[in-house]
Amino acid sequence: GEDVEQSLFLSVREGDSSVINCTYTDSSSTYLYWYKQEPGAGLQLLTYIFSNMDMKQDQRLTVLLNKKDKHLSLRIADTQTGDSAIYFCAESSRGNNRKLIWGLGTSLAVNP
Amino acid sequence: EAQVTQNPRYLITVTGKKLTVTCSQNMNHEYMSWYRQDPGLGLRQIYYSMNVEVTDKGDVPEGYKVSRKEKRNFPLILESPSPNQTSLYFCASSPSASAQTQYFGPGTRLLVL
Repeated sequence: GEDVEQSLFLSVREGDSSVINCTYTDSSSTYLYWYKQEPGAGLQLLTYIFSNMDMKQDQRLTVLLNKKDKHLSLRIADTQTGDSAIYFCAESSRGNNRKLIWGLGTSLAVNP
Repeated sequence: EAQVTQNPRYLITVTGKKLTVTCSQNMNHEYMSWYRQDPGLGLRQIYYSMNVEVTDKGDVPEGYKVSRKEKRNFPLILESPSPNQTSLYFCASSPSASAQTQYFGPGTRLLVL
């Protein structure tokens, strides 16, 4: 069935780049998403990429998609303490329902 | 401000006492959805609605009901809550079922004793 996997934890130093990785199984996914969840807050859409793209850049965020390996990554340049959060990878399911298939989230800790 | 609101944000209740979690969006979105988030299980869809009066089951609908009488509101009803429904609940909305962006509410943390 459909599945999205991520590593659970990542720790980086402030100012370094963070790379959060995700693998998915549904080759028919049309869009892949990165959401951010800060403590006690809802889910904020960071960025998304269409499945026929390889890369998308938005300010400090770079998304890379390797469709052959079904691998998605999110790179955060110049990571700040405010970037500490849980980052979720998600893929859109087939059909009209916009149900998202979610990874379990990667908890990013940024150390001063 | 465009947003999805949920109420209450926190709720402690007892087994069997009916409760409703409200969800409202002010963006005239057609599509709305409910998810629950549990440790180790991630987010799972409970119910969704493509438009007014159109609702359908997600992956984990058992023990829940929804209604969509108006476009802006999509309440989640637990007729007889049980402890296994203790969870963090998120409502989301999207301009349409084919739109790429889903907007999430702040979440409702429910504890059923």
